[in-house]
Amino acid sequence: QVQLVESGGGVVQPGRSLSLSCAASGFTFSSYAMHWVRQAPGKGLQWVAVIWYDGSNKYYVDSVKGRFTISRDNSKNTLYLQMNSLRAEDTAVYYCARDVRDYGDYADYWGQGTLVTVSS
Amino acid sequence: QSVLTQPPSASGTPGQRVTISCSGSSSNIGSNTVNWYQQLPGTAPKLLIYSNNQRPSGVPDRFSGSKSGTSASLAISGLQSEDEADYYCAAWDASLKGVFGGGTKLTVL
Repeated sequence: QVQLVESGGGVVQPGRSLSLSCAASGFTFSSYAMHWVRQAPGKGLQWVAVIWYDGSNKYYVDSVKGRFTISRDNSKNTLYLQMNSLRAEDTAVYYCARDVRDYGDYADYWGQGTLVTVSS
Repeated sequence: QSVLTQPPSASGTPGQRVTISCSGSSSNIGSNTVNWYQQLPGTAPKLLIYSNNQRPSGVPDRFSGSKSGTSASLAISGLQSEDEADYYCAAWDASLKGVFGGGTKLTVL
């Protein structure tokens, strides 16, 4: 069965960096686009970024453009999110999610999320 | 604020039918399909409706979706206590970004 397991969350000071990982199993990882979606405490869902199946295209929400980088290693079945220059407003649970296609469309399976807290 | 607009709350009694609306624009709902997610308390979102009106395997037929122009709606008939959750609409935008509604908290009275 499809399984997505995020890791790497924690408490980090404003301006610092953090890297998230998402280990995928139960499907052919290299055939699907992947998303990061976040949810601030008590708030709604916010789409963060998407990467095409082969890493050829990446798109970001404006608020993280230039600070966050989505990447993938298809040989390791792993999705990444490198977060730099973190701000308090980046505090959220970060979910990785599998797209139904090899390009961005919509997500069908989600991980359980990892909490990132940006605080001094 | 969110790109797609949903009412913040909705409610109904067991057995009732409730609908949740989702309003967007020509660059998202007007030109792409709409998907709906259900998020039970403390859990990850779950795909509920895709491509405007399709249900993934395992989703009861009490849940249905529709779309017209730049708006969409989710209907839940035969409301049950376990339907109490947050519901989000989502779509792909022409600016090559995913967009969500702000979410609707459904209370079963």
